[in-house]
Amino acid sequence: AQSVSQHNHHVILSEAASLELGCNYSYGGTVNLFWYVQYPGQHLQLLLKYFSGDPLVKGIKGFEAEFIKSKFSFNLRKPSVQWSDTAEYFCATTPPRGSYIPTFGRGTSLIVHP
Amino acid sequence: SQTIHQWPATLVQPVGSPLSLECTVEGTSNPNLYWYRQAAGRGLQLLFYSVGIGQISSEVPQNLSASRPQDRQFILSSKKLLLSDSGFYLCAQGQGVGNSPLHFGNGTRLTVT
Repeated sequence: AQSVSQHNHHVILSEAASLELGCNYSYGGTVNLFWYVQYPGQHLQLLLKYFSGDPLVKGIKGFEAEFIKSKFSFNLRKPSVQWSDTAEYFCATTPPRGSYIPTFGRGTSLIVHP
Repeated sequence: SQTIHQWPATLVQPVGSPLSLECTVEGTSNPNLYWYRQAAGRGLQLLFYSVGIGQISSEVPQNLSASRPQDRQFILSSKKLLLSDSGFYLCAQGQGVGNSPLHFGNGTRLTVT
């Protein structure tokens, strides 16, 4: 069975600081990887995804993530955060075949102080 | 584009009362549908998923059940709520393809008193 680990549960940053949120997955084969974001009072939405090709994926609002197969990682990064990035971030993975049921990490709560 | 309607947005119910949360999807056909429960610091727990009308798979045995009476309708139910059923319930839909993301509804905050 798949599992997804997000090691940073709570992150507090000041505006303009750089951000990196860790995500590790357990599935040994080809995977599809996602980052979702949930802004306060809003629904979960896709931030970016990777399923093949360039391992550096760019998403909305200046976010990017790098797939490193050897490390089973898909860390989320942003060079300079803004107050509006305050949200909860979830890493998720689905296998390439079968039921395609996503497995989610526990989430990381990011607070950005202005 | 897909739209997911969930209602009610908030609900307060006494212990032992029944529950019915409804989710309907627009803008897509034959979607995979999911019910998740989100708890603070615990991420998203998959409760049920459905690949078609009348087809329900349960991921976690508990006091809840799900039904899919129509292609784009997914219902989460309970005959008798427990205090531990309190939480934030999310409905989601996907295309059943591994690289396709899920689309989520706005959720229902359930408080069992």
